[in-house]
Amino acid sequence: GAVVSQHPSRVICKSGTSVKIECRSLDFQATTMFWYRQFPKQSLMLMATSNEGSKATYEQGVEKDKFLINHASLTLSTLTVTSAHPEDSSFYICSARDLGGGAWNEQFFGPGTRLTVL
Amino acid sequence: AQSVAQPEDQVNVAEGNPLTVKCTYSVSGNPYLFWYVQYPNRGLQFLLKYITGDNLVKGSYGFEAEFNKSQTSFHLKKPSALVSDSALYFCAVRAGRNQGGKLIFGQGTELSVKP
Repeated sequence: GAVVSQHPSRVICKSGTSVKIECRSLDFQATTMFWYRQFPKQSLMLMATSNEGSKATYEQGVEKDKFLINHASLTLSTLTVTSAHPEDSSFYICSARDLGGGAWNEQFFGPGTRLTVL
Repeated sequence: AQSVAQPEDQVNVAEGNPLTVKCTYSVSGNPYLFWYVQYPNRGLQFLLKYITGDNLVKGSYGFEAEFNKSQTSFHLKKPSALVSDSALYFCAVRAGRNQGGKLIFGQGTELSVKP
């Protein structure tokens, strides 16, 4: 089956630093990747849709300068949390959609990255 | 606008009993519906989906879901619950093509199966 990985799985950083999270589709090509944020025992909140070779589309209320997304290849998207603060502490999950079939193809989810900002 | 509601924050079931996790949806047009499960500190795992066809959809780990158009529901069911089924369950609907087909999730239901 399709596998999506995230790295790192867990990161602890000091306030004011930037953190980069990688999302990779391991055995398929993904023109579109999605980045979600999840608070404890709550639903997933879509932050942005990342399209290979173009700018990400951010959901309303998500700061694009705060959460930088780069989708440089068909297998890799990165989320950089810039100047992180404690309120950015959360569980970040990515998903990837297979290349063929367009918008109706299945999304496969990564295992998530736990970010803790001290 | 598309939306999904899971009316129960938590469902408690005894092992061996049937379980139901409820989901209702609101969409324009034909719904594309999904169920996912999430174990602690893990990503989402796909359970099943309804696109078209039979109203009863069978999925992974013995789960099934019944699509009911008149009640706009897509409840998740399992005939005999296992302790290992304890997890967080999400219902989702696929947004329209003009929204890139993104998934819209319900708020989640925590399932607790006790021995």
